[in-house]
Parts: sequence; structure tokens; C-alpha cells
Amino acid sequence: AQRVTQPEKLLSVFKGAPVELKCNYSYSGSPELFWYVQYSRQRLQLLLRHISRESIKGFTADLNKGETSFHLKKPFAQEEDSAMYYCALSGRNDMRFGAGTRLTVKP
Amino acid sequence: DTGVSQNPRHKITKRGQNVTFRCDPISEHNRLYWYRQTLGQGPEFLTYFQNEAQLEKSRLLSDRFSAERPKGSFSTLEIQRTEQGDSAMYLCASSLSGSPSVYGYTFGSGTRLTVV
Repeated sequence: AQRVTQPEKLLSVFKGAPVELKCNYSYSGSPELFWYVQYSRQRLQLLLRHISRESIKGFTADLNKGETSFHLKKPFAQEEDSAMYYCALSGRNDMRFGAGTRLTVKP
Repeated sequence: DTGVSQNPRHKITKRGQNVTFRCDPISEHNRLYWYRQTLGQGPEFLTYFQNEAQLEKSRLLSDRFSAERPKGSFSTLEIQRTEQGDSAMYLCASSLSGSPSVYGYTFGSGTRLTVV
């Protein structure tokens, strides 16, 4: 079965603190994972892809096949990072999304 | 081309009425997807097209739902005999075939349906 789990619905940190948004997946094949972000009143947009091993807006995510995880991390959170974050797993024909984590960065 | 466009942005309808939504994808994208998102949930896959062919439908897509992409460009999603449980945000996304794993999807702003 293809499934994405984001265990935290809400996450609140202070500005400058490290942040980690958790994502676990189940998939029988070789997973292709993404993080999407939705800022207030904006459309869902791609943040980063595991295949590119990139850092976007200071965020990184490492695929851990042993733990079936793809956690999103940022060492120093900024207030503008406040948003909904969705982890997604690309299957053969569609992309499955987790329920999302609402990140609030307090000043 | 300013991205994926969806119309209308909001739709309020009475239970039992039919509604139709439109999605205009990025012009060079040959794949088009419909998702539904309810409060507190992530987007749930409904169906997808490659060009004009509808290649997969989720079991969430009951027989009251129909989607078309007649010329491989824009797509419509129709819901017949709407029910209150159909109230949700309907999202459209597009991608190039072969590239979803590389570039992901580009989403529209969605159509928010409220059935009263």
C-alpha cells in the first residue's frame, strides 16, 4: 500500500529555533518523495524533491529508507516559514499526500 | 502562461444540483490531475489524464462524478446530484509525463465547493 503519514498536525517553534517536520511512508517500490508548502491564501507549491538533494529556503530533507522517513529540517526557523507543509509520495500514476503539518514560527 | 488556472474560485450550490468546474493546465503539460481536499486533510487523488485519455480513477470518484479532457488541453469535472459530503476544495494539477518524479506537480488555486 502507498501511504504517507505526518504524525504532527501542529508544530510551533520560536524564531531562530531548529525545526523538524516528520514524514513516514510505506511503499513497495523505490519511493520518490516531495515536500509541498502552502502559505496563507496561496496555492500549494513544490518545496523540494528528494531526488535533487537540494536545499530550498534553508530546508533540507533526507530520505532514510531504513526508517522509511523523509523528515523536513531547517536549522533556524523564520517567521515567514509559517505555513502548511505536506509530504507527498509519487506512485505509478498519482501522488499521495500526508494530512499536513501546520508550522507556526513565533517571534 | 501564468500556471494552472481553475474556475470558478468558489461555488455555492443547493443539494441535488449539478456543478461543473474547469481547469486550464500549463500549456505544454500533457498530464492533468484532479484532487479533492477536505478540512484537516491532505489532497486526495481523484483522477488523471494523459492528453485526452483518462487513465486512472480513484474509488473516491463515485458515478456522480465525471471528468473530461476532450482535446487534451483544459479539463472539466462535473458533479451530479451534489451532496453535502461533496463540500471540499477541488484542486487541479498538471505535469509533463515522465517528469512528475523530477519536477512534481504544478497546482491551481482550487475551486471551493459548498453544498447547502
